[in-house]
Amino acid sequence: GENVEQHPSTLSVQEGDSAVIKCTYSDSASNYFPWYKQELGKGPQLIIDIRSNVGEKKDQRIAVTLNKTAKHFSLHITETQPEDSAVYFCAARLRDTGFQKLVFGTGTRLLVSP
Amino acid sequence: DVKVTQSSRYLVKRTGEKVFLECVQDMDHENMFWYRQDPGLGLRLIYFSYDVKMKEKGDIPEGYSVSREKKERFSLILESASTNQTSMYLCASSLGGAVLDTQYFGPGTRLTVL
Repeated sequence: GENVEQHPSTLSVQEGDSAVIKCTYSDSASNYFPWYKQELGKGPQLIIDIRSNVGEKKDQRIAVTLNKTAKHFSLHITETQPEDSAVYFCAARLRDTGFQKLVFGTGTRLLVSP
Repeated sequence: DVKVTQSSRYLVKRTGEKVFLECVQDMDHENMFWYRQDPGLGLRLIYFSYDVKMKEKGDIPEGYSVSREKKERFSLILESASTNQTSMYLCASSLGGAVLDTQYFGPGTRLTVL
C-alpha cells in the first residue's frame, strides 16, 4: 500500500524566514497531494493541493512543488508569520481507488518565533 | 461553509465500556471518514463510508465498528474500550463521486480510556 514519509518532524524559524516541509510517497500511481494545517484545538484544514499533472502551484505565501520522478513533494511557506505556527500534514491519494482515501504523513510542527 | 461537528471534545471512559463517537456534517456529503491521530504517527484511517449503510475498512479497523444510518451522521463505536484506544479521533467528510475533492475535518474528540 501507499506510504508517505514527512520531514522534518519539527521546524523552528524566525518570523519572515521561509519554511520548507518535504514528503515522499511510495506508490507511483498516486495522483493527488493535499496539504493540511492543524492549529491547536482544531481539526486539519486544507491549505493547498496539487494534482499529478502539475509541477507547481502557488497561493499567496504558500506553494507546493511535485517531482513525480523522484516521488516527492514539498510545501514552501515564504515570509512566515507567527500565525503560521501549527502542525502541517501532507497526504497522497492513490489513483483509481474509487474512494477518497488519503494516506497522511506523520506531521511537521512548525514554530514561527516573532 | 462546510461544518463537521463531533459530539464531544473530551471523553473519559473506563476499560471495557462501549463508547460511541458521533459525527454530523451539514453539506450533504457522500463520503465520511474516521481517523485517529497519535503523536509521531499522523492520521490513520479507521473506517470510511461512501453512502448510507455502506462502509469500508481503513488501515486500522481492529477494535472499532461504524454505523451510518443517515447520510449526515457517521458513528464510530468502540465495542469494548481498551487503554490503547486512548487517542484523538477525527471525523471528516467529502463531496464524493470521482472528483478529487477536499476532506473537511471536525474539531476532534480526545478520548482517554482508563
